[in-house]
Amino acid sequence: GPKVLQIPSHQIIDMGQMVTLNCDPVSNHLYFYWYKQILGQQMEFLVNFYNGKVMEKSKLFKDQFSVERPDGSYFTLKIQPTALEDSAVYFCASSMTAEVFFGKGTRLTVV
Amino acid sequence: GDSVTQKEGLVTLTEGLPVMLNCTYQTIYSNAFLFWYVHYLNESPRLLLKSSTDNKRTEHQGFHATLHKSSSSFHLQKSSAQLSDSALYYCALSDPAQGLTFGLGTRVSVFP
Repeated sequence: GPKVLQIPSHQIIDMGQMVTLNCDPVSNHLYFYWYKQILGQQMEFLVNFYNGKVMEKSKLFKDQFSVERPDGSYFTLKIQPTALEDSAVYFCASSMTAEVFFGKGTRLTVV
Repeated sequence: GDSVTQKEGLVTLTEGLPVMLNCTYQTIYSNAFLFWYVHYLNESPRLLLKSSTDNKRTEHQGFHATLHKSSSSFHLQKSSAQLSDSALYYCALSDPAQGLTFGLGTRVSVFP
């Protein structure tokens, strides 16, 4: 079936540094999402993106977070600067209709 | 805002027994969809079931669920659990504004 690819699968980064998480969504999808899952907790909505713009974002989407999809390539989540509490698994997802397809996640560890 | 409640955090059962996972929700949107996603370790969460119209049962891969708007519920059931059903199950609500709102998830462990 349709696949969402996330690169890398794991990333370790020093606190205060910048990190970019990459997502290759399903090719004909128009809606893109990032979710955050802290160990042992539920997946929580961060942001959704459509037609080159952020449509909705949650309170978890701090000012240090940004998303973009330049020229229809990767859909990226950038965190600058990172903080210890940003350690989590970040899931990218995409959809055309109500069915959402997820990637396997990127485990981010901020040390 | 929207919320989804899954009251069981962990369900353990013996292979062959029936299983039911509870899901209730709150939303202001009358046309919201409910979903069950299954998440196996080291894989992507994937769609298991999507709600249909009120009081109509939907089925897939031996699982079934019925949306009941009167009780705001979308419980997941299977008549006979298999070892391969061991996974994390999320109930989720989709609204037009922000996509999916997930419950806390229920971990199902099926033993021989």
